Amino acid sequence: GAVVSQHPSRVICKSGTSVKIECRSLDFQATTMFWYRQFPKQSLMLMATSNEGSKATYEQGVEKDKFLINHASLTLSTLTVTSAHPEDSSFYICSAREVAQVAQFFGPGTRLTVL
Amino acid sequence: GQSLEQPSEVTAVEGAIVQINCTYQTSGFYGLSWYQQHDGGAPTFLSYNALDGLEETGRFSSFLSRSDSYGYLLLQELQMKDSASYFCAVPPLSTDSWGKFQFGAGTQVVVTP
Repeated sequence: GAVVSQHPSRVICKSGTSVKIECRSLDFQATTMFWYRQFPKQSLMLMATSNEGSKATYEQGVEKDKFLINHASLTLSTLTVTSAHPEDSSFYICSAREVAQVAQFFGPGTRLTVL
Repeated sequence: GQSLEQPSEVTAVEGAIVQINCTYQTSGFYGLSWYQQHDGGAPTFLSYNALDGLEETGRFSSFLSRSDSYGYLLLQELQMKDSASYFCAVPPLSTDSWGKFQFGAGTQVVVTP
């Protein structure tokens, strides 16, 4: 299957700082990327849909000013958690799909811990 | 809206067969997907059923019955490495947001020696 990378894999930061997470599709062009958050022992919760060249679409309850998403190219989307707080600590996972394909391929995830 | 139900946990011994059921309620339906996720890892795509019937891929098979709004993932010849969470998922109703899957809560499969 297609490969999606995510960086960093793990980050620890102080409360109030901002953290940027990168998601890259390595061997295909991803017109759409998705950002999920997953708390321990829970399912994946979709945060937003990132479309190349346009604004992201956020799910209900997700603050767009806190979780900034940029999809600058067909292979890169970034999620910036601004002014992070301890409750933002979670596992953040991106996924990407090619046009007209059923499967979406997930990045390895980023474990964010906010102290 | 859409909802999916699956059991929270299943325990079985090595070599056994496990069936994970998924029932769904949707106002429209394209198909049912299954994903595997190991602790601390990312979900990996296992299968997609668009039509009724059984799809076999090695030790894993997936089944769909549209009339019953039901599907299952069958894990055969269980191995320790199969211990993971398994999620069923349905795609959205509109193809312009294809990929915006909704996931079930996940079934934790625990394989014991």
